[in-house]
Amino acid sequence: GAGVSQSPRYKVTKRGQDVALRCDPISGHVSLYWYRQALGQGPEFLTYFNYEAQQDKSGLPNDRFSAERPEGSISTLTIQRTEQRDSAMYRCASSIDSGQGREQYFGPGTRLTVT
Amino acid sequence: QQQVKQSPQSLIVQKGGISIINCAYENTAFDYFPWYQQFPGKGPALLIAIRPDVSEKKEGRFTISFNKSAKQFSLHIMDSQPGDSATYFCAASTQQNQGGKLIFGQGTELSVKP
Repeated sequence: GAGVSQSPRYKVTKRGQDVALRCDPISGHVSLYWYRQALGQGPEFLTYFNYEAQQDKSGLPNDRFSAERPEGSISTLTIQRTEQRDSAMYRCASSIDSGQGREQYFGPGTRLTVT
Repeated sequence: QQQVKQSPQSLIVQKGGISIINCAYENTAFDYFPWYQQFPGKGPALLIAIRPDVSEKKEGRFTISFNKSAKQFSLHIMDSQPGDSATYFCAASTQQNQGGKLIFGQGTELSVKP
């Protein structure tokens, strides 16, 4: 079946612009996670949802970052007033649930470059 | 206490040899330990995972060894092949108040020489 998809795959934006990154999880997966991965590093947790409820946003770096999942499926990560330090690979993952079915499957990521 | 420490940072193994990557953790609430394989330009792919009620799990050429008392776990790749050349990440998570978010190690870049 289809895996996790993300769009766009690449985004170049100018400093100060807002960007929206989209994640389409595996069908039927309740839990959806956002991570940020710097080059040569492991993914770093940003936030996660069960259905449409944002359960944990402790990893969001500051209030310029926000995420939503209004219908419990597709999620959008929004970065307002982008800065160069926001440049990174943003990855989305989904799992059946956040309990016993905790295996997370990652999407291909969105490479964000802020110029 | 949330950290997962991974070593070595890079590893070169001859074809047919055994690749061993180690991870250590502090948070005793962690109850799920997956390994991910990542090829350049791709997302991390779940390779194998273990829960702390067993000391070893084997899937094909890949084995996780888990030492609960030492708070360490390792990935062994038997009969390593050039196609195994990738970056490997260990991770850990807990269901307690954290919803299974993964804490990743720093990664190991494995190169298998023909």
